Amino acid sequence: EIVLTQSPGTLSVSPGERATLSCRASQSVSSSYLAWYQQKPGQAPRLLIYGASSRATGIPDRFSGSGSGTDFTLTISRLEPEDFAVYYCQQYGSSPCTFGPGTKVDIK
Amino acid sequence: QVQLVQSGAEVKKPGASVKVSCKASGYTFTNYYIHWVRQSPGQGLEWMGIINPSDGSTSYAQKLQGRVTMTRDTSTSKVYMELSSLRSEDTAVYYCARDRLVSGVSSTDVWGKGTTVTVSS
Repeated sequence: EIVLTQSPGTLSVSPGERATLSCRASQSVSSSYLAWYQQKPGQAPRLLIYGASSRATGIPDRFSGSGSGTDFTLTISRLEPEDFAVYYCQQYGSSPCTFGPGTKVDIK
Repeated sequence: QVQLVQSGAEVKKPGASVKVSCKASGYTFTNYYIHWVRQSPGQGLEWMGIINPSDGSTSYAQKLQGRVTMTRDTSTSKVYMELSSLRSEDTAVYYCARDRLVSGVSSTDVWGKGTTVTVSS
């Protein structure tokens, strides 16, 4: 199974600043089948990015995804107060689907 | 609107089984695979498996093979996830989530609110 590692574990950022989150896979993720989710306390995850770089419906353009192979990045260009949350990457290119352990973005 | 409505919280004793339901509405039930994902308290997300509501075919995480069963009822647009031989480590919030693509396996764009399952003696 593909193991995903996310870094950093926690990212402290001020509102309005840029946040860069990393997701690294133990082997190549086929066809860039990599997604990013946002989860807030007490809520279900929300799909942000699929196919490594495509924004899901209704996701603001301050969220962007990039990468291929084993290295992927989620960038939040200017953090809004509602963006403070935990972010998970997921690969769905090979079975079983797997999630990374998450990166918590909190207020500096 | 497209939504998944899950059954209510459960408390079970070790060794028992639990069956969680997920009712789909707002779209053609048989067109989209349903994933099950769980999250232990304070922990990350764990993919449990997937069911094709069209033909009932399933694929499970190896860790749960033999203990998990996913089924569907097309007459009620419900999918079910049953987990047997429960242990304390199965205490978690269980989510159903709809695949983003028609008849494909992809990311998940619609999630239920989650069902809390507590395993305690």
